Amino acid sequence: EVQLVESGGGLVKPGGSLRLSCAASGFTFSSYSMNWVRQAPGKGLEWVSSISSSSSYIYYADSVKGRFTISRDNAKNSLYLQMNSLRAEDTAVYYCARVRVVVVAGYMDVWGKGTTVTVSS
Amino acid sequence: EIVMTQSPATLSVSPGERATLSCRASQSVSSNLAWYQQKPGQAPRLLIYGASTRATGIPARFSGSGSGTEFTLTISSLQSEDFAVYYCQQYNNWLFTFGPGTKVDIK
Repeated sequence: EVQLVESGGGLVKPGGSLRLSCAASGFTFSSYSMNWVRQAPGKGLEWVSSISSSSSYIYYADSVKGRFTISRDNAKNSLYLQMNSLRAEDTAVYYCARVRVVVVAGYMDVWGKGTTVTVSS
Repeated sequence: EIVMTQSPATLSVSPGERATLSCRASQSVSSNLAWYQQKPGQAPRLLIYGASTRATGIPARFSGSGSGTEFTLTISSLQSEDFAVYYCQQYNNWLFTFGPGTKVDIK
């Protein structure tokens, strides 16, 4: 079964750091680009970051650029998001999603259940 | 950044009726458009990609159309399990953007 399982969420104070992980199983992880997408409470979906299969290409939303770092370990079938200088507006459910690349970018065909990050003093 | 808009924000429909959801891009995204369904407390689920191709396991009552800047998701006969929020998303470049969503609720 194709599966993505996020972990690492929790309560953190403003200015703090957190590292999210996403464990992949049931498919050849190293062949796929991956995304992080977040959803603030009661709000819509917001793309956060993307990483290509070999980590050659990395992209960030302006809202997190310079504070968040995406990475992956293909040997461990894992995706990561290092989040620094956290702000209240980073409070959200964070999803990892598999990307099916089509020509340039791609659509997200598999999603994890998400992990909740709360930034509050 | 490509801005995605969706209308209406909320659509009230009776079971068995047809629902038509619209999505517009601020510039052409060709057919690089996906639709997702999200129910409360759940992750989004891919419905449509390439503007009109149903994802694996998606019932035929869901159909997508459009290209360029104007797109439509149609649910031909709403079932109880279809009441949810629907998002469109462009993937014409790696700066993905989502629409704000259309909530389909029971009339």
